[in-house]
Amino acid sequence: QQPVQSPQAVILREGEDAVINCSSSKALYSVHWYRQKHGEAPVFLMILLKGGEQKGHEKISASFNEKKQQSSLYLTASQLSYSGTYFCGTVTFQGAQKLVFGQGTRLTINP
Amino acid sequence: ETGVTQTPRHLVMGMTNKKSLKCEQHLGHNAMYWYKQSAKKPLELMFVYSLEERVENNSVPSRFSPECPNSSHLFLHLHTLQPEDSALYLCASSQDPRVAGPTDTQYFGPGTRLTVL
Repeated sequence: QQPVQSPQAVILREGEDAVINCSSSKALYSVHWYRQKHGEAPVFLMILLKGGEQKGHEKISASFNEKKQQSSLYLTASQLSYSGTYFCGTVTFQGAQKLVFGQGTRLTINP
Repeated sequence: ETGVTQTPRHLVMGMTNKKSLKCEQHLGHNAMYWYKQSAKKPLELMFVYSLEERVENNSVPSRFSPECPNSSHLFLHLHTLQPEDSALYLCASSQDPRVAGPTDTQYFGPGTRLTVL
């Protein structure tokens, strides 16, 4: 079952922070985060495996709350290069190791 | 070449044409995937191959025909497509979900932008 991302779109000014959420109706094995710039391939950012786990990539970090069956992606002091569409992909216990992507969150950073 | 490459990057075809999309991965992976990405829709998984064996076919119309001759190459053969098939077609590869399980990470190619007239 497809995870639900929120918000669908965010517009920020450079230097502001953003949070993107990814929620599942089923218990999660892992959460994968990708960023796709317009006209380019989705690029893998990070994977989270354990409840409460946090990871970081540049000034982008993420958390995984196993009990709430959700993950959040945090973008701190956003840069123009962070613009793009962010996708979460989830692997659930009932999903037969299958990675299912959310609908994406479009992030626009303005100078 | 590194990573995952796809050719052509852009393709315009009529509904009666036959064309093929090509994907090549240089990562030593055993699994390869085709996805369809339409505007304002999530990534739709079409086919999965593991060690050249098709392990998933997500109810894709027969006008799309995949081929995986070896673990580095994947093709998508197209014939008698419809205008609603216009989309970005993405190829991805991974170690192998049956081996790596929930840690299996997919790496994407740049995609082929397909327009069906």
